[in-house]
Amino acid sequence: DTGVSQDPRHKITKRGQNVTFRCDPISEHNRLYWYRQTLGQGPEFLTYFQNEAQLEKSRLLSDRFSAERPKGSFSTLEIQRTEQGDSAMYLCASSPPVGGAFSGANVLTFGAGSRLTVL
Amino acid sequence: EDQVTQSPEALRLQEGESSSLNCSYTVSGLRGLFWYRQDPGKGPEFLFTLYSAGEEKEKERLKATLTKKESFLHITAPKPEDSATYLCAVQAFSGSARQLTFGSGTQLTVLP
Repeated sequence: DTGVSQDPRHKITKRGQNVTFRCDPISEHNRLYWYRQTLGQGPEFLTYFQNEAQLEKSRLLSDRFSAERPKGSFSTLEIQRTEQGDSAMYLCASSPPVGGAFSGANVLTFGAGSRLTVL
Repeated sequence: EDQVTQSPEALRLQEGESSSLNCSYTVSGLRGLFWYRQDPGKGPEFLFTLYSAGEEKEKERLKATLTKKESFLHITAPKPEDSATYLCAVQAFSGSARQLTFGSGTQLTVLP
């Protein structure tokens, strides 16, 4: 397994266009996360999937953003009508199944990210 | 709301000059505290997980420690290849997503 793969690595688009990012997680991992990172800041949580179900969304995820994970494998993150404020690195991470509610912490493995520049 | 604050924002060291990075946190029940390393243009790379106060973990020139309010990443005799941004994150017991809440990072530069 080559880890978490993201595509494309870089995307330059004009304001108002739609863009889509793809994430292929580690195959044994059923949990998948999307984060956004701007320059000089740490990653910020956007949304979380367990298998194919999207179970949590951050308030950062406006209605222009939509994420899917059909069949519980790869995931896509689409941004409609992009704005200059959407320029950021979009990171995908995955983690394996976990135990009960009080089991130990689980490690997230991140991909290399997809850098979006909106002109 | 879970919060993580890292200091300093940036640190420049001479090769071999040991130092420490600080991570202060507030969380409603700590499941784990994580340290990641991030190189420019790449995603965060996992270094350590700490679970409870008093715990320590080491890897090469790095040693992470944890108290009830903060964590330290000690760098002993750093080399230029240790230059990177070091991110601290917490994972809380609340919620099922187990997402990480990150600090803004410390950008470390080690000069030869």
